[in-house]
Amino acid sequence: GAVVSQHPSWVICKSGTSVKIECRSLDFQATTMFWYRQFPKQSLMLMATSNEGSKATYEQGVEKDKFLINHASLTLSTLTVTSAHPEDSSFYICSARDGGRGGELFFGEGSRLTVL
Amino acid sequence: AQSVTQLGSHVSVSEGALVLLRCNYSSSVPPYLFWYVQYPNQGLQLLLKYTSAATLVKGINGFEAEFKKSETSFHLTKPSAHMSDAAEYFCAVSSTGGADGLTFGKGTHLIIQP
Repeated sequence: GAVVSQHPSWVICKSGTSVKIECRSLDFQATTMFWYRQFPKQSLMLMATSNEGSKATYEQGVEKDKFLINHASLTLSTLTVTSAHPEDSSFYICSARDGGRGGELFFGEGSRLTVL
Repeated sequence: AQSVTQLGSHVSVSEGALVLLRCNYSSSVPPYLFWYVQYPNQGLQLLLKYTSAATLVKGINGFEAEFKKSETSFHLTKPSAHMSDAAEYFCAVSSTGGADGLTFGKGTHLIIQP
């Protein structure tokens, strides 16, 4: 089946630094990628939608200057958490939409960010 | 606007017993409905999805769900629970089949008692 890979799977950083998380579709071209945030024992909240070559669309309440999303190719999207703070600690999950398979969605394995 | 309500943040069943995880949705248009499973520190795996074809949807690992429009429900069932079914389960809704992302419920943690 289709595979979506996230890297790193976990990262610890100091407050004030920036962290980049990559999301790759390994065997298909993703027309659209989505970034979700999941707090402990809670649901996934959609942060933003990105289409290759265009600016990401952010959900209400998500700071676009804080969470920079780049979708440079049909197989790669990146989420950069800028000037991270402890409240940014969370599990970030990406999802990629396979236009060639009727728009089916595939999820990455998630990236756990801990900001000290 | 759309939303999903999952009744019961935790459900405990005995191994071999029926599994029933409840999901009710709200959508102003005919919905697409999904059930995902999440194991600790992992992403989500699709169990099954409803796309307006058959109202009874069969998924992987012996799970199935029935779409009931009159009850706005899409409950997930499995006749006989297995220890490996212990995980977090999420119900999700979309009005576009996922083209603009999914709206998830809060999840139900399924515990299997030996």
